[in-house]
Amino acid sequence: EAGVTQSPTHLIKTRGQQATLRCSPISGHTSVYWYQQALGLGLQFLLWYDEGEERNRGNFPPRFSGRQFPNYSSELNVNALELEDSALYLCASSFGLLDWYFGAGTRLSVL
Amino acid sequence: GENVEQHPSTLSVQEGDSAVIKCTYSDSASNYFPWYKQELGKRPQLIIDIRSNVGEKKDQRIAVTLNKTAKHFSLHITETQPEDSAVYFCAAPQTGANNLFFGTGTRLTVIP
Repeated sequence: EAGVTQSPTHLIKTRGQQATLRCSPISGHTSVYWYQQALGLGLQFLLWYDEGEERNRGNFPPRFSGRQFPNYSSELNVNALELEDSALYLCASSFGLLDWYFGAGTRLSVL
Repeated sequence: GENVEQHPSTLSVQEGDSAVIKCTYSDSASNYFPWYKQELGKRPQLIIDIRSNVGEKKDQRIAVTLNKTAKHFSLHITETQPEDSAVYFCAAPQTGANNLFFGTGTRLTVIP
């Protein structure tokens, strides 16, 4: 069974540009979560999508947004990129609260 | 919302010794407490979890204990091996939601 997949693996952007990150959950999982992990730091909650709806968001500005598609895959968009947005962005999926699995992440570098 | 605190931030042990990592949470309604291991350059992986209806769960060399009254839970690794070296994160769910709040992580180093 395929795990959570994320693309691209690496993304390089310049300040002010927009970035789009993608996530495909494990088959059967309806929830997708996005986290930001800055270098050497912990996991900061960004967004939670379930059944196509945004269910919760963390303490991030509105330029962080996303959506979930009918096949439960998800997209994270970051507008007006700033240098401090450079981080590893991790996606996780679950069915309900239990059995979370993470993808390998997208490393975003903002120059 | 939930607040998860994790200690220590770094931990070094000799191979074969035990390691203990502790977390506290703020929401007494929380009922699910997973632990994740993140090796350098890799994704966090679920290693063990516990639900609030039990006080302890064990899986080979790894165990987790939960004290609901004190609102803390701990990860115990016995007979540590060099491959246990990694960053460990505890987590608890946000009140009324499925998203998890993670502790700040513990960098465990097992010295051969």
